[in-house]
Amino acid sequence: EVQLVESGGGLVQPGRSLRLSCTASGFTFDDYAMHWVRQAPGKGLEWVSGISWNSGRIGYADSVKGRFYISRDNAKNSLYLQMNSLRDEDTALYYCAKPSYGDNTLFDHWGQGTQVTVSS
Amino acid sequence: EIVLTQSPGTLSLSPGERATLSCRASQSVSSSYLAWYQQKPGQAPRLLIYAASIRATGIPDRFSGSGSGTDFTLTISRLEPEDFAVYYCQQYGSFQGTFGQGTKLEIK
Repeated sequence: EVQLVESGGGLVQPGRSLRLSCTASGFTFDDYAMHWVRQAPGKGLEWVSGISWNSGRIGYADSVKGRFYISRDNAKNSLYLQMNSLRDEDTALYYCAKPSYGDNTLFDHWGQGTQVTVSS
Repeated sequence: EIVLTQSPGTLSLSPGERATLSCRASQSVSSSYLAWYQQKPGQAPRLLIYAASIRATGIPDRFSGSGSGTDFTLTISRLEPEDFAVYYCQQYGSFQGTFGQGTKLEIK
């Protein structure tokens, strides 16, 4: 059974940093790209960032480019999101998402999310 | 970047009725790389439809998708109580998978 478990969320002041983690199990982690998707309170889904299986391809939404950095450790079946210079508008539930195959963004499995709240 | 616009924003129907949700893209979605997700309160999204019309594993056949190019539709033939939720379309033809803003399907 595929499982994605996010952690690392919390309450943080504007301008500070936070590192999210996602631990995967139940599939061959290094066969897949992995992604972060967020959802602000009462709002829709926003793709945040993605990383290919070997970290050779990385993408970011314009809203986080230059502030957030995605990485992965295939030996640990883990995905990370380093979030710097956090803003109020980064407040959201952050999901780790697995694509259905290879390098695409069709998400067949999602974690339960980790809440990030940016507030002074 | 492809922008997806969903309509209506909210759809009020009764159980047993037919629901038709629309998703329009700002440019053609390549190879019909269009998906639909369902999200219930407090839950992660669930994949319903991909490639515009193929049901994901375990999805009941009352859910169907259609369309190509820039216009896509999700149809729920006969609404069950558990179908009332928010529905999102998504294009996944690029590494940046953009979502529509969602349609809330509520009980009338």
